[in-house]
Amino acid sequence: DTGVSQNPRHKITKRGQNVTFRCDPISEHNRLYWYRQTLGQGPEFLTYFQNEAQLEKSRLLSDRFSAERPKGSFSTLEIQRTEQGDSAMYLCASSSPARGLGEQYFGPGTRLTVT
Amino acid sequence: QKEVEQDPGPLSVPEGAIVSLNCTYSNSAFQYFMWYRQYSRKGPELLMYTYSSGNKEDGRFTAQVDKSSKYISLFIRDSQPSDSATYLCAMRYTGNQFYFGTGTSLTVIP
Repeated sequence: DTGVSQNPRHKITKRGQNVTFRCDPISEHNRLYWYRQTLGQGPEFLTYFQNEAQLEKSRLLSDRFSAERPKGSFSTLEIQRTEQGDSAMYLCASSSPARGLGEQYFGPGTRLTVT
Repeated sequence: QKEVEQDPGPLSVPEGAIVSLNCTYSNSAFQYFMWYRQYSRKGPELLMYTYSSGNKEDGRFTAQVDKSSKYISLFIRDSQPSDSATYLCAMRYTGNQFYFGTGTSLTVIP
């Protein structure tokens, strides 16, 4: 069990550029979540995958954001036409149906800075 | 009104003190209650997970859930400088979304 990994750890981009982040969940965890966290706030839910199916998206998720989990393993989160307000920590978490519905394990996050 | 309210602190205590961290919530459908610890610039780490009401103890940590008051607590006994971090409460009902508090910043002074 190597934990949830995320890449890159840091990303600096100019406004208007597209960025893509990757999340590798704990092996055999079929549930995967993306969150956004800004300074002084708790993580804010963005979207949820069960295997390769995206089952839930936050109403707050702009259409500039898209996420995929093509083979039910790793996931990518893409932000198109980045804005300064997108600057945040993007966190990925995974969980297993064998554990309780309350358990999820987070990766270290990708810190995005939009200049 | 936010679904989950948490006092951001900061909270500063001497080493060895008992720490009490709290959250209130508005959605009576919440059934799963979690506490996470987050060190600076790291991802949250699951500390405690409780289903429905009651107490749960794990080492120096005790989680309490009072669903009638919509109030949850985390107690840390014999606090250590290594406990200095931000503590996040989180909740969910049977759906897939987790709802987090804003976090309470704790410093334990040696």
